[in-house]
Amino acid sequence: GEDVEQSLFLSVREGDSSVINCTYTDSSSTYLYWYKQEPGAGLQLLTYIFSNMDMKQDQRLTVLLNKKDKHLSLRIADTQTGDSAIYFCAETLFLSGGYQKVTFGTGTKLQVIP
Amino acid sequence: NAGVTQTPKFQVLKTGQSMTLQCAQDMNHNSMYWYRQDPGMGLRLIYYSASEGTTDKGEVPNGYNVSRLNKREFSLRLESAAPSQTSVYFCASRATPHSPPNTGELFFGEGSRLTVL
Repeated sequence: GEDVEQSLFLSVREGDSSVINCTYTDSSSTYLYWYKQEPGAGLQLLTYIFSNMDMKQDQRLTVLLNKKDKHLSLRIADTQTGDSAIYFCAETLFLSGGYQKVTFGTGTKLQVIP
Repeated sequence: NAGVTQTPKFQVLKTGQSMTLQCAQDMNHNSMYWYRQDPGMGLRLIYYSASEGTTDKGEVPNGYNVSRLNKREFSLRLESAAPSQTSVYFCASRATPHSPPNTGELFFGEGSRLTVL
């Protein structure tokens, strides 16, 4: 299918870990991204992973990639209230003619309870 | 460095009215994009411009037109607004070609919130 799928909502307590999951569509996707959208703002790149990697860690963020299942996850350790936002996964597929098709998931709204 | 700037930030239109959303980027990016964001549907691509002088349709182009005025500016026009076009519109840009050290990151504006009555 054409849809990048995410659950719509996640609620966690401050200090706990958050895990946001994503199922993407195309095994040929070369770059997979996590974007963060804070209220009233545009999206900003949070982290990304190349398709030849299984894991990437960046401070409190851990990205896991399972290419066989086309599954991407974002783990946020020690979740803070400032992490409350909508998180989008996105995949990039390179097409002929040099065009890069970017497909976004529906977004997961993370609510952090103090 | 302003990044991607969109105007206006808010707009209310009546059905049938026309308007243009403006977008400008100062990062010398070749590619520019217009998305719309609706609850539970993520971001959907309306139109894109891979380089100055070219534009192409995305997933949901009906009811919209675009102009890539120069390398910096990419505008989105609604000729006859409909309530179904009530949405938040985002302009984005990225550097191309997409090869290291370029991560392929999309840079977004802050959005234009449009209501069509």
